[in-house]
Amino acid sequence: DVVLTQTPPTLSATIGQSVSISCRSSQSLLHSNGNTYLHWLLQRPGQSPQLLIYLVSRLESGVPNRFSGSGSGTDFTLKISGVEAEDLGVYYCVQGTHAPFTFGSGTKLEIK
Amino acid sequence: AVQLVESGGGLVQPKESLKISCAASGFTFSNAAMYWVRQAPGKGLEWVARIRTKPNNYATYYADSVKGRFTISRDDSKSMVYLQMDNLKTEDTAMYYCTAGRSGFDYWGQGVMVTVSS
Repeated sequence: DVVLTQTPPTLSATIGQSVSISCRSSQSLLHSNGNTYLHWLLQRPGQSPQLLIYLVSRLESGVPNRFSGSGSGTDFTLKISGVEAEDLGVYYCVQGTHAPFTFGSGTKLEIK
Repeated sequence: AVQLVESGGGLVQPKESLKISCAASGFTFSNAAMYWVRQAPGKGLEWVARIRTKPNNYATYYADSVKGRFTISRDDSKSMVYLQMDNLKTEDTAMYYCTAGRSGFDYWGQGVMVTVSS
């Protein structure tokens, strides 16, 4: 199975600070059809997860553009440019290129 | 608006069975692959099962941890997806989410809690 390693496991940020989360895959996530099925989710406390970024860098509708995704192959990054209080929660990367789909272990973002 | 509403959770004993359901609305259900994802208390997310559409022969896929014990199914006429869980183990205790969308994870239900305990 593909292992997604997320770092750091926890992140503490002040309002307005920019932060990045890394997601590294044990295998390339480039599908034979040319797509890379690496997505980012946010789970706020007590809520269901929500999709932020799909296919590495595409911003889900309604998601603020302070969120951005980048990367290719096995290395991917989620960046938040100017953290806001509502961004606290656990961030997960997830891959849908190789069966079974797998999630990263999560990065907990705390607001100082 | 897209809605996914899970139901049918509860407390069961080890080796018992339970069937949970997900009612979908707000999108063309018959065109969408459907998924179940679970989250044990205080833990991360784990993909459980996937069912594709009729043109894809309703093909099903399972995590190794549930293969042979869980069965995903769908009823396109009712816009429902189900997860039949047999021979439940304590480690199956989790919140179970129904998900859908082009990425598989665009839309999430509120989740249903399944507790396996003697």
